[in-house]
Amino acid sequence: EDQVTQSPEALRLQEGESSSLNCSYTVSGLRGLFWYRQDPGKGPEFLFTLYSAGEEKEKERLKATLTKKESFLHITAPKPEDSATYLCAVQRSSNTGKLIFGQGTTLQVKP
Amino acid sequence: EPEVTQTPSHQVTQMGQEVILRCVPISNHLYFYWYRQILGQKVEFLVSFYNNEISEKSEIFDDQFSVERPDGSNFTLKIRSTKLEDSAMYFCASRRQGGGDGYTFGSGTRLTVV
Repeated sequence: EDQVTQSPEALRLQEGESSSLNCSYTVSGLRGLFWYRQDPGKGPEFLFTLYSAGEEKEKERLKATLTKKESFLHITAPKPEDSATYLCAVQRSSNTGKLIFGQGTTLQVKP
Repeated sequence: EPEVTQTPSHQVTQMGQEVILRCVPISNHLYFYWYRQILGQKVEFLVSFYNNEISEKSEIFDDQFSVERPDGSNFTLKIRSTKLEDSAMYFCASRRQGGGDGYTFGSGTRLTVV
């Protein structure tokens, strides 16, 4: 069965304190792994898509990496505005494009 | 930047009533989706829609649910007879063919069944 597990569930950082979020996945035939940011009461906001092991993508203070079993979202020198829930999702190799989400990591960055 | 628009943002309905949640996907997107998120839980897939038909649906998407793209721009989710457990945030999403830049989600409709 396809499964996505994120850790930790919650993370508190001081401003400027770098850290990483983990997404472990089990899927038969990975087509893509997605990272989203979700603010309270809002829809997921797209951050990155990774397609193959070894791939890396960066956007401002965020960097996403992918291996055959997991992905990391590295946050460098976070700011309070980075506080949000970060969601990981996988897409199988099927045409329907269904996404399977993890439960998310809620990040709080204190000034 | 193009957006997926959902209306209403919040709907309160009585148990047993029918509700229709509305979405306007991005105009050049071809694949459309509904997801839901019960408070404190994962985002769950409900249904995917392509070429005017359902391409995949989850176990949650039973006979009480239906989707429609009535006029080439709107995409609707109907729940025929709501239950308390249908209370959740419902998200519409769309993507272009290939979807290399990710799916675009709407800001959601919060459905409260009382």
